[in-house]
Amino acid sequence: AQSVTQLGSHVSVSEGALVLLRCNYSSSVPPYLFWYVQYPNQGLQLLLKYTTGATLVKGINGFEAEFKKSETSFHLTKPSAHMSDAAEYFCAVIKRSNDYKLSFGAGTTVTVRA
Amino acid sequence: NAGVTQTPKFQVLKTGQSMTLQCAQDMNHNSMYWYRQDPGMGLRLIYYSASEGTTDKGEVPNGYNVSRLNKREFSLRLESAAPSQTSVYFCASSGLAGGPTDTQYFGPGTRLTVL
Repeated sequence: AQSVTQLGSHVSVSEGALVLLRCNYSSSVPPYLFWYVQYPNQGLQLLLKYTTGATLVKGINGFEAEFKKSETSFHLTKPSAHMSDAAEYFCAVIKRSNDYKLSFGAGTTVTVRA
Repeated sequence: NAGVTQTPKFQVLKTGQSMTLQCAQDMNHNSMYWYRQDPGMGLRLIYYSASEGTTDKGEVPNGYNVSRLNKREFSLRLESAAPSQTSVYFCASSGLAGGPTDTQYFGPGTRLTVL
């Protein structure tokens, strides 16, 4: 099974500060990579995904992530945090075959301080 | 469009009781999924249906059964509930284009407690 590691279960940032959420995968062949966000008491929503091509991927709400094959990483960033970014964030992967199974990391909860 | 809908929103069961969680999507998607979410473990795939008429096991299928009733509906059944099945259950769908990179759209979840 794919393994996805998110470093840090909780991240606290000040409003206006950089948000950095770390994700590493363990696979010899890079998988498809996703970031999802879950707001309180809601389902998950796709932020962005990397499948092929440009390694810097831009998503919704000002988020972006960079695929680095040499580091087996897909870290998520946002230059300036907003109060509305408080949520739980999940990194997920699907292996590169005809496989529909998303494997999720444990999640990182982001709190934003005023 | 309502997207992905799930019923019920909340449910409390006693050990050994059975129940069916319902999921429907109105996006004409081919693939549908059932996940469970437990604290500190992210989401884990229980079963999925890549297309109407097919179902396959995911990572944690034991204790569950599924039915892909038609293209719109995908139900999850607990035949004999156990406390270990206390969780939040999410249904998702994907696949207008077809393929593993299609975005999965999630329902609002069902919070199940088994006493």
